[in-house]
Amino acid sequence: QVQLQESGPGLVKPSQTLSLTCTVSGGSISSGSYYWTWIRQPAGKGLEWIGHIYTSGSTNYNPSLKSRVTISVDTSNNQFSLKLISVTAADTAVYYCARDLPCSGGYCPRALSIWGQGTMVTVSA
Amino acid sequence: DIVMTQSPDSLAVSLGERATINCKSSQSVLYSSNNKNYLAWYQQKPGQPPKLLIYWASTRESGVPDRFSGSGSGTDFTLTISSLQAEDVAVYYCQQYYNTPQTFGPGTKVDIK
Repeated sequence: QVQLQESGPGLVKPSQTLSLTCTVSGGSISSGSYYWTWIRQPAGKGLEWIGHIYTSGSTNYNPSLKSRVTISVDTSNNQFSLKLISVTAADTAVYYCARDLPCSGGYCPRALSIWGQGTMVTVSA
Repeated sequence: DIVMTQSPDSLAVSLGERATINCKSSQSVLYSSNNKNYLAWYQQKPGQPPKLLIYWASTRESGVPDRFSGSGSGTDFTLTISSLQAEDVAVYYCQQYYNTPQTFGPGTKVDIK
């Protein structure tokens, strides 16, 4: 079955760019009709939806981060990526990648059924 | 953005007893054209990613025990654990996927009394 694994630097300096990659195994990122999503969770706090990219390549971002975030897909390596520019301490969090449920009976539940284990990113000088 | 609220913030229930968590959305997440509520429930244990329990407000994800059930429509939803087990100790989140940005409730922590 499909599995996701986040990777990237665990420490980023303030004002620099946070770059993370989610590697998809057990299936092709370009098959089916899925949204590939990034979520983050500061320590001890709730979940924040960052944005997603559709199989076709179209994207949606959280307006609270839209000016700083880019999500892209690399089909040749079966990965999708997150870039967040101009980071501050407020961007310190566990970052998860996730994928939604498959469509069934003509309906597409965009609930997130497959998650990576998460990667901790700390923004600090 | 659709704001999701949950109540209570935390609850402690005896083993075998019922646990009930409420979730309210700031606007309806019922899509009239297909009569489906775009609402999901997740369980998160410490150090783990969230696990999908329920989608379409009441459809159990494959492999989820049937003691977990979801109900509600429009703006008011409930997750019920009919007979709490020790392994159900976790934080539970509701989420709307009616529109973007998708938003989550603040979470409800469930413990054993």
